[in-house]
Amino acid sequence: AQKVTQAQTEISVVEKEDVTLDCVYETRDTTYYLFWYKQPPSGELVFLIRRNSFDEQNEISGRYSWNFQKSTSSFNFTITASQVVDSAVYFCALFETGQGAQKLVFGQGTRLTINP
Amino acid sequence: DTGVSQDPRHKITKRGQNVTFRCDPISEHNRLYWYRQTLGQGPEFLTYFQNEAQLEKSRLLSDRFSAERPKGSFSTLEIQRTEQGDSAMYLCASRGTGLAKNNEQFFGPGTRLTVL
Repeated sequence: AQKVTQAQTEISVVEKEDVTLDCVYETRDTTYYLFWYKQPPSGELVFLIRRNSFDEQNEISGRYSWNFQKSTSSFNFTITASQVVDSAVYFCALFETGQGAQKLVFGQGTRLTINP
Repeated sequence: DTGVSQDPRHKITKRGQNVTFRCDPISEHNRLYWYRQTLGQGPEFLTYFQNEAQLEKSRLLSDRFSAERPKGSFSTLEIQRTEQGDSAMYLCASRGTGLAKNNEQFFGPGTRLTVL
C-alpha cells in the first residue's frame, strides 16, 4: 500500500539558516507523482512542486530545491537562507496513477518555525 | 477569482445536528476531491468525483457522510448526526484532465467544522 513518511514532526531554526525537510515514500506503482505542499497558518494548502517517477533530476527554484532519489524512495526539500515567512507546515504527498488510486496520500507534515 | 472556493469557512454545530458543506471547483476542472484533516495530521482522502460520477470512496466515509456533484460542477458534502470526532478541516480540491501536468490538485481554503 502507498505510504508517505515525514519523520520530522517539528523543526525550528534561526533565520538565514538552511533547512532540509525529509520525505520517504512507499509505493508498488512504477508510475507515480510526488508533491510538496505548504500550509501556512491561514490553512490553505499551497502547491510547491510536482515530480514524476521518471524524472530524477533535482530542481531548484529560488531558495527552494528538491532532491528526488528513487533508489532510496526519498524526495527531500531544502530551503536555503530561510526567512520568517517560510514558517508553515509542509506536506509531502504521493499520487499513484494505477486503477482506482485517484488520490493524494499525504505525510503527517513537518511544522517549520523560522525564528528571527 | 478562479480558484477553488468552499462555503462556509467555519461551522460550529451541536452533536447530532446535520451539516452541509459546498465546494466550487475551478471551472474547467472535471475532477473533484474531498479530504479531511484533523489537528496535527496530513489530509486524508474521503471521496473523488469525475464529472458527476462518484468513482472512489474511502472507508473513512461512514454511512453518515454523503457527497454529491449533481451537474458535474459544484459538490456538497453532508454529515448527518454529527459526532465530536467529526471535528476537522474539510478540504476540497480539483484538477484537470488529460495531460500529466494536470495531475496537480488545487485546494480550496477548507471548511473548519467544530462539533460541540
